[in-house]
Amino acid sequence: DIQMTQSPSSLSASVGDRVTITCRASQGISNYLAWYQQKPGKVPKLLIYAASTLQSGVPSRFSGSGSGTDFTLTISSLQPEDVATYYCQKYNSAPFTFGPGTKVDIK
Amino acid sequence: EVQLLESGGGLVQPGGSLRLSCAASGFTFSSFALSWVRQAPGKGLEWVSTISGGGGSTYYADSVKGRFTISRDNSKNTLHLQMNSLRADDTALYYCAKPAVVGTIGGYDYWGQGTLVTVSS
Repeated sequence: DIQMTQSPSSLSASVGDRVTITCRASQGISNYLAWYQQKPGKVPKLLIYAASTLQSGVPSRFSGSGSGTDFTLTISSLQPEDVATYYCQKYNSAPFTFGPGTKVDIK
Repeated sequence: EVQLLESGGGLVQPGGSLRLSCAASGFTFSSFALSWVRQAPGKGLEWVSTISGGGGSTYYADSVKGRFTISRDNSKNTLHLQMNSLRADDTALYYCAKPAVVGTIGGYDYWGQGTLVTVSS
């Protein structure tokens, strides 16, 4: 099975900072990659699908890039409401594995 | 408005069974593959199972294969997860989820609120 890793596992940044989270697949998955945001006690929210397509209603400070094995989620200017855990998910073929998550907070 | 409403969770002893249901509305139910995703307390998201729109294709995580069965009733817009031989490590909040794009399997734009399954003696 293809393994999904994320780095870093956690980060602390200042408001306004550019934040980048990396997701890596152990084998190529084309662009079948989604990113989710989950705030404590809340349901996950889709941010990006097909590696770089911004979900409707998601602020434009979020962007995704990559193809094959290496993907990034970028928050161009971190806001207080972006404190959350971020997960990637592969969906090219089963199992449709999630990454372990990256916890983002404000410095 | 799309709605997904899970039910059927509860407290069950190890080795027991539960049947989860997810009642859906607000979209063309039979056009979308649907999935179950779980989250153990304080842990990350774990994909559990997916079923195609017509029900002919099913997929399972290794951790539940042979114990869980996903099914759907397109006449009633309902998704099910039959869980047998439950273990303590199946304890989690179970979500049903729908993909954003018809014809795809992942990229879930709608999630239910979840139903809690607790496996304990």
